[in-house]
Amino acid sequence: DAGVIQSPRHEVTEMGQEVTLRCKPISGHNSLFWYRQTMMRGLELLIYFNNNVPIDDSGMPEDRFSAKMPNASFSTLKIQPSEPRDSAVYFCASRTRAARSYNEQFFGPGTRLTVL
Amino acid sequence: AQTVTQSQPEMSVQEAETVTLSCTYDTSESDYYLFWYKQPPSRQMILVIRQEAYKQQNATENRFSVNFQKAAKSFSLKISDSQLGDAAMYFCAYTHGAQKLVFGQGTRLTINP
Repeated sequence: DAGVIQSPRHEVTEMGQEVTLRCKPISGHNSLFWYRQTMMRGLELLIYFNNNVPIDDSGMPEDRFSAKMPNASFSTLKIQPSEPRDSAVYFCASRTRAARSYNEQFFGPGTRLTVL
Repeated sequence: AQTVTQSQPEMSVQEAETVTLSCTYDTSESDYYLFWYKQPPSRQMILVIRQEAYKQQNATENRFSVNFQKAAKSFSLKISDSQLGDAAMYFCAYTHGAQKLVFGQGTRLTINP
């Protein structure tokens, strides 16, 4: 079975440019999470969706960040305009709500974003 | 708010020895899940072991086991017969209901040959 797929794996961009990160969750999973990992703040949730509906976006840093989940198999995280402090590894994770799933989240390989 | 604390930024162990990583958490919930994730240099987050709070029995997965002390809100990871491939960052994580994972700061584990 394919795991969570993220693209691109690496992104280098210049300050002010728009950046779009993509995620395909595991088929059949109905919850999707976006996390950011930095040295200073560790791993923190940005936003998560249940059944394609945003449930908690309190971790989204500011209006420059937006996330969408147009269907059960695709989500995007967009940063516009990007700033150097957005440099981080961005993880997407998915989870099934099925019984005995242990609430386990499965992570994608991450996207390393560098904003110059 | 729930918090997870890992008090050991770095740990090292000799190959084939046993090492224990510490984790404490704070929550007012009675039903929750705890996890240990491993992050090698490839940065992939790999689930090592999970524990349901309502289960008194400590979880075990091959060389990995936990010591879950619910009253003390402690969830330590024991790695037996350490192998070079165990070298990684280890994160303790908490979740309640259908919500987000709350992570600790991580412990960097080095295995000395």
